[in-house]
Parts: sequence; C-alpha cells; structure tokens
Amino acid sequence: AQRVTQPEKLLSVFKGAPVELKCNYSYSGSPELFWYVQYSRQRLQLLLRHISRESIKGFTADLNKGETSFHLKKPFAQEEDSAMYYCAVLDSWGKFQFGAGTQVVVTP
Amino acid sequence: EADIYQTPRYLVIGTGKKITLECSQTMGHDKMYWYQQDPGMELHLIHYSYGVNSTEKGDLSSESTVSRIRTEHFPLTLESARPSHTSQYLCASSEISGTEAFFGQGTRLTVV
Repeated sequence: AQRVTQPEKLLSVFKGAPVELKCNYSYSGSPELFWYVQYSRQRLQLLLRHISRESIKGFTADLNKGETSFHLKKPFAQEEDSAMYYCAVLDSWGKFQFGAGTQVVVTP
Repeated sequence: EADIYQTPRYLVIGTGKKITLECSQTMGHDKMYWYQQDPGMELHLIHYSYGVNSTEKGDLSSESTVSRIRTEHFPLTLESARPSHTSQYLCASSEISGTEAFFGQGTRLTVV
C-alpha cells in the first residue's frame, strides 16, 4: 500500500544536540516530498520541499530514492524547534499524503 | 490578506445532528482538501476538489459529503453526527499545479 511512514512518535533532544526525524515512503515513480511543521497553537505550514534543496531554519532533508527515505536533520537543535513535524508526499494524482507525525521536544 | 479560513474552530454537538464545517480561501486556489486527524495519528485525506463542481473521495472512507459550488468555498457536511466523527478536521488549498498546500486553523469536532 502507498503510504508515508514516520516511525518515531516522539523525539526528545537537548538544546544544541543534533536531531534527525525519519521518513520513509512507498510511492512509485518520483513523488515530490515535503516536510511540514506545526508549532504550538499555529496552523500546519510548509517547512521545506526536496525539489528546492533548501535549508530552512537550519533544517535539511536528503532524498534517498534507493532507500525511499527523506529524513529531516538539524545539527544543533534549538528550543524553538519544539513542534510537530509531518513528512508528506505529493502523489501522482496531485494529492498531498501525510505521515503520522513526529513530536519534537527540545529541552534546555 | 490571502488566507484560508475554517469555522467554527471548536464544535460540540449532540448525536444525530446535522453539521456543516465551513472552509473558505481567498488565495485563488483551484485545489482544496479536507483531512481528518485523530490525536497522534496521521492526517487522512477524506475529500478533495480540483475546482468548481469537482469533488472526489479521499483515501479514508468518510460519511461526510462536500460541495464545491464556488472556487473559494468548500464546506463539509455530516448529515447525522455520531461520536465516531469526533476528530479534528483540517482544510487546505493549493494551486492546480502547485507544490505547497496551505492549511486552515482546523475545526475540532466533538460529538456527544
């Protein structure tokens, strides 16, 4: 079945430590991949997309087609990074499909 | 200001009532979506639309229905609410060839 898998429900890290959020997808072809973020009391918003190869707020994500993964990384976590993160796929029908999300808690 | 709006933000309603969750966007987007999200669970696509008079069911079966009579408006209706419908409902929109979905604040529905 086609799906987006985020194996970690919760990641707790110390400020200044590296953080990596895992995402695997099982869509055929070459889907477009994204990371969305939801800060406390805010709406879900785009963090970054793989086609832009951009770094946003210090986060980067590498698409590995062989492993069908799109893990999100940041070398030094900050307290303001505490949020819910969702990996998403734009499938061949033009629909956005999301994973279950990973809650990141950064403690001082 | 271009935005996407959902009303109400919170709704508590009794079993058997008919409800309509409103979603409007002033972004000029053709595509619109409804997602259902239970706490700690993934967002499940329940309805989407490519434009006026276009509605499709998503991957998660839902007893709700939608309509798209105007580009900017994509309401979701439950004819007879049940406790199993208790969830958060998120509306989103994107350009027809766009690669970013913009989300509303969500409606948290509780059916008692």
